[in-house]
This record gives sequence, C-alpha cells and structure tokens, in this order.
Amino acid sequence: AQTVTQSQPEMSVQEAETVTLSCTYDTSESDYYLFWYKQPPSRQMILVIRQEAYKQQNATENRFSVNFQKAAKSFSLKISDSQLGDAAMYFCAYRSVGGAQKLVFGQGTRLTINP
Amino acid sequence: SAVISQKPSRDICQRGTSLTIQCQVDSQVTMMFWYRQQPGQSLTLIATANQGSEATYESGFVIDKFPISRPNLTFSTLTVSNMSPEDSSIYLCSVGHGIDTGELFFGEGSRLTVL
Repeated sequence: AQTVTQSQPEMSVQEAETVTLSCTYDTSESDYYLFWYKQPPSRQMILVIRQEAYKQQNATENRFSVNFQKAAKSFSLKISDSQLGDAAMYFCAYRSVGGAQKLVFGQGTRLTINP
Repeated sequence: SAVISQKPSRDICQRGTSLTIQCQVDSQVTMMFWYRQQPGQSLTLIATANQGSEATYESGFVIDKFPISRPNLTFSTLTVSNMSPEDSSIYLCSVGHGIDTGELFFGEGSRLTVL
C-alpha cells in the first residue's frame, strides 16, 4: 500500500518570503499522481497543484511550484512571495493512475504567515 | 470542476443516535468518496460510494457503522450510526470525474460533535 509522509507538523514564514513544505511517499507503482491540497479554516479542501509522475518537468501554478524527485520519492511544495491568505493546513496526497481514484493523504503541515 | 454541497454543515448529536449526511454534486460524476477527518488529523478514506451497488469500505470501516447510499451519479449519503464521542469528526464528500484528470473535488465537510 502507498504511504505519504509529511515530516513538518508546523511551519511559519514571514509575509513576502519563500517557504518550502516537504513530502515523501512510498510506492511500487511507476505511474501516479501527486497533489498538494490546502485546507483553510473554512474546511474546504482546495487543490493547489498537481504533478503527473511521468512528467519530468516540475509543475508550477503562479506562486506555487513543486520539486518532484521521482527516484527519491520526494515531492516538496515551494510557496513564493507568501501572502496572509496562504495560511492553512497543507496536505500532500498520492493517487494511483486508473482503478480506484482514491487519494492517500499525508499528515499535513500547518503553515502560519507572519505579517 | 464540480460544485459539491454537503448537508448538514455541522451538527451536535447525542450518544447512541444516528445522523445522515448528504452530498449533492452539480454534475454527474463517476467516483464518489467519503472521508473522515478527526480533530487535528489528516483525511482517512471511509469508503467508495458505488452507484447502484454496495459501497466499498476501507479497512477499519464497516457497513453497519457507516451505511452509504448512492442512488444516482450526483447524490450520495453517509450515515454515522450509533454515535459515540469518538465519532466526532469532519466528514467530507469527494468526487472524481470519469476523465482521468487525477484531481478530486471536495465538499466543505460536515462537522459532527457527539456528546
């Protein structure tokens, strides 16, 4: 079974600075999806960024980018120019290609933005 | 994308009672899932809701405790039966489209507190 590990329960960053959240995973599959979801206090899970394992290029979405290291099974999220609205719980998640589309989540990292 | 409505948004329940949570999607979706998020924890998959057949439960979750219905491609219910304080959690509905884009969409969750 696949597992996802986030080793940073909490992180904080100054507004406008850059922060990197870590995620590692374990799988025997060669093709899969990786995600970062954001959960603000409103509880709504919001997709931040997605990476397909077969793509070597790291995904980017505006201020959000990932460092995907397939051999190392590492998938970190970098947030540039941090904003107060980025404060939330961030979850790394894994999904197999095909079959059941269920997500396997990491434990989460609580990100605080200091003004 | 998909717009997902969950009801109730929150509720306070008495020990030993049961509560049914509804999940309504604004479009037909192939996959529907129910997740549980215990206080301060990550998301754990309860089951996959299958249209027209019995749900597929994850290890540690049973139909007698969490009966699920899915009468069509836009609607599902999760019942939490014979509740105890340990069932106090956020319950989230999640959906995926048949096109394998990888992404799952989430409702805002239902926060249950059992006294």
